[in-house]
Parts: sequence; C-alpha cells; structure tokens
Amino acid sequence: KQEVTQIPAALSVPEGENLVLNCSFTDSAIYNLQWFRQDPGKGLTSLLLIQSSQREQTSGRLNASLDKSSGRSTLYIAASQPGDSATYLCAVRRVETSGSRLTFGEGTQLTVNP
Amino acid sequence: SAVISQKPSRDICQRGTSLTIQCQVDSQVTMMFWYRQQPGQSLTLIATANQGSEATYESGFVIDKFPISRPNLTFSTLTVSNMSPEDSSIYLCSVERREFNEQFFGPGTRLTVL
Repeated sequence: KQEVTQIPAALSVPEGENLVLNCSFTDSAIYNLQWFRQDPGKGLTSLLLIQSSQREQTSGRLNASLDKSSGRSTLYIAASQPGDSATYLCAVRRVETSGSRLTFGEGTQLTVNP
Repeated sequence: SAVISQKPSRDICQRGTSLTIQCQVDSQVTMMFWYRQQPGQSLTLIATANQGSEATYESGFVIDKFPISRPNLTFSTLTVSNMSPEDSSIYLCSVERREFNEQFFGPGTRLTVL
C-alpha cells in the first residue's frame, strides 16, 4: 500500500526566504506526482505535475523535483511572500486498470511572515 | 485546467438529515471523484463517479450512506445521508484530465453537522 509522508508538518519563515518542502513515498511505481496548494477551508489548487519520466517542473517561483527511485520529491519556493501562506499537499498517482488513483500526504502548513 | 463549481459552498445541518452536494464541470470529463477531508486531516477518496453506471466506492464507504449520481459527463451529485457530527468535513469534487492524468479540484463544500 502506497504511503506518502510530508516533512515538515508545519513551517514558519520570514518573507523573502527560499524554502524547501519534502515529500516521500514508499512505492516507487508511480505514474506521476502532483503538488497542490490549499487555503484554509478551501479546495485544492494544482501547482505542478511531474510525470514519472521527468526530473523537475518549474512554474514561476516554484520548482518541483522528482527522484522516483528513491521515492522523493521536493517543492522549492523562491523568495517567499505572505501570499504563499497555505497548506501544501503532495499526491502520487498509481494507474489502476479502471482509472487512476491519488494518494495524498498529510501536507505542510506554511506561514510566511511579513 | 478545468473549472469546477460546487453547491452549496457550506452548510450547517441537523443530525439525521441528508444533504446533496452538486458538482459542475465546464467541460466533459470521463473521471469524476468525490473526496472527504476531515478537520486537520488530508484527503480521503470516497468514490469514483461513473457516467452511466454505479459509482465505485472505496473501502469504508457505502452507497447507502453516500449515494452518488452521474447523469452526464459534466455533472455529479453526492448525498450525505442520515448525517451525524462525524460527517462534519469538507467534501471535494475532483476531475481528471486524461491527456496528462492531472487532477483538478472544486472549491469544496464545508459541512457542519450539529
């Protein structure tokens, strides 16, 4: 059974700092990995999708890497801003015969202080 | 990306009643999913809503408690039946875009059961 772990569970940083969020998964036979952002009481916003054949993806100040063999992904946020404060969720996808299925981590709650 | 709307956005209900949550997508999608996020926890898949057939439920979730309809490729409903305070959660509709196996989420329905 796939298990996804995110470290740290919570992180508080001053504005402008670069930071790294970590995600690890136990079964390396994944189809892809997706990073999401969730604001309190809201739905999920897809940030980055990395296919299993890719090593990294970038979008603006965000960069996600994937090392499938070691079961790890990182989300790098450059020059953090207070608006980045949210919970960040990592999810891995295993393709089932009848459709795909996401397994989520518990999330990292990020606070960026002005 | 897909634009997903949910109704209602939030509700407060009495124990023993039922609530139906609607999910509308701006384009036709094959795969629609319903998730639950209990307070302080990550997401748990309830079921996959299949167009033209019965939903496929995950372990621990049953049709009598969470009946699902999927009348067409852009719409689905989830009913939370005979509610108890333990059903207080955010319920999220999600769709998958087959081209990249990327998943998108609606804004969620925040349910409080008294």
